[in-house]
Amino acid sequence: KAGVTQTPRYLIKTRGQQVTLSCSPISGHRSVSWYQQTPGQGLQFLFEYFSETQRNKGNFPGRFSGRQFSNSRSEMNVSTLELGDSALYLCASRAGSLNTEAFFGQGTRLTVV
Amino acid sequence: DQQVKQNSPSLSVQEGRISILNCDYTNSMFDYFLWYKKYPAEGPTFLISISSIKDKNEDGRFTVFLNKSAKHLSLHIVPSQPGDSAVYFCAASGRGTASKLTFGTGTRLQVTL
Repeated sequence: KAGVTQTPRYLIKTRGQQVTLSCSPISGHRSVSWYQQTPGQGLQFLFEYFSETQRNKGNFPGRFSGRQFSNSRSEMNVSTLELGDSALYLCASRAGSLNTEAFFGQGTRLTVV
Repeated sequence: DQQVKQNSPSLSVQEGRISILNCDYTNSMFDYFLWYKKYPAEGPTFLISISSIKDKNEDGRFTVFLNKSAKHLSLHIVPSQPGDSAVYFCAASGRGTASKLTFGTGTRLQVTL
């Protein structure tokens, strides 16, 4: 069974640009969550999608948005990039039921210059 | 508002000894707890979980203990091995508004020879 796949693995963007990250969850999993990890910080929750609907949202500005498609694949978009957006962005897949473990992808390392 | 706290940023343990990583939480809605292990530039890997109806769960060298009255959980690794050197995150989830996985800031474990 394939794991969680995130593309691309690495990305360099310029301030002011926008970026789209992609995540393919484990087959059969309907929940996809996105997290941001910066040096010295834990995993900061961005949002969670379940069956194409946003189920939870973290405390990030509106420049951060996401969506989920009917095949459960998810994309995350960041507009008007700032230097502080440089981070490792992680996608996690869950079967969908409450109180189940989440499985993470390798992450996308975004550098904003 | 840090609902899941790991107060020790780092821990050093000799090979063969016990490693004890601690985690405290504040949200009474949490009823499912997990530990993840993370290497640099990779996604976290699920280790072990525990439901609030239990106070102990064991899987090989890893045991998680839950003290609900103290809102405290711990991960014991016995015996510790050099390959265990990584950052360990505890996470919690629950029902309703607490259904997303909330992570602590992590503890860096170094197992020395």
